[in-house]
Amino acid sequence: EAAVTQSPRSKVAVTGGKVTLSCHQTNNHDYMYWYRQDTGHGLRLIHYSYVADSTEKGDIPDGYKASRPSQENFSLILELASLSQTAVYFCASSDMGTDYTFGSGTRLLVI
Amino acid sequence: KTQVEQSPQSLVVRQGENCVLQCNYSVTPDNHLRWFKQDTGKGLVSLTVLVHENDKTSNGRYSATLDKDAKHSTLHITATLLDDTATYICVVGDRGSALGRLHFGAGTQLIVIP
Repeated sequence: EAAVTQSPRSKVAVTGGKVTLSCHQTNNHDYMYWYRQDTGHGLRLIHYSYVADSTEKGDIPDGYKASRPSQENFSLILELASLSQTAVYFCASSDMGTDYTFGSGTRLLVI
Repeated sequence: KTQVEQSPQSLVVRQGENCVLQCNYSVTPDNHLRWFKQDTGKGLVSLTVLVHENDKTSNGRYSATLDKDAKHSTLHITATLLDDTATYICVVGDRGSALGRLHFGAGTQLIVIP
């Protein structure tokens, strides 16, 4: 079954440390996205990618980097984690139309 | 500025009752609107997508309407079950292709009690 799989499911990171969130999709979708969800707010777009080896900035890219080494894989990197980056992070993939598939999320706590 | 507003923020209903969730938006252009269900600690699962002016969709006990003139959508849940307890998120896409952006509402938290 086509899916979007995120790892880890949850993580505790130390302020100033490096964090890498991984996403793998089997939908054969060209487009992949990273969003963050904060309590009481809608999801916000961090980075996205149209094709392997290329990434684009979303609405809130500061403090985050992204990497798309293949069509199936899309990573979100926090080089220097900060307290404000505590959130739930969702990866998604889509086709050219309206078909979006979301992962189950990664709960990140920065202490 | 929030472009997708959902109401109510939270809602408690008894099992078997019907409920209606509202979504008002200011996104332009409004290519499509999708309702997602998010169980606590889980990802977003699509319930339905509306594309055309005055679209109406039905998916089991879930039905939705879209009024593009009013930039308003409703999600109706009939004969609620305990498993309907979740957050329901309204999302508006501003273009048909993935080149567009998705605009997310903050969600309506529905709690179904016995």
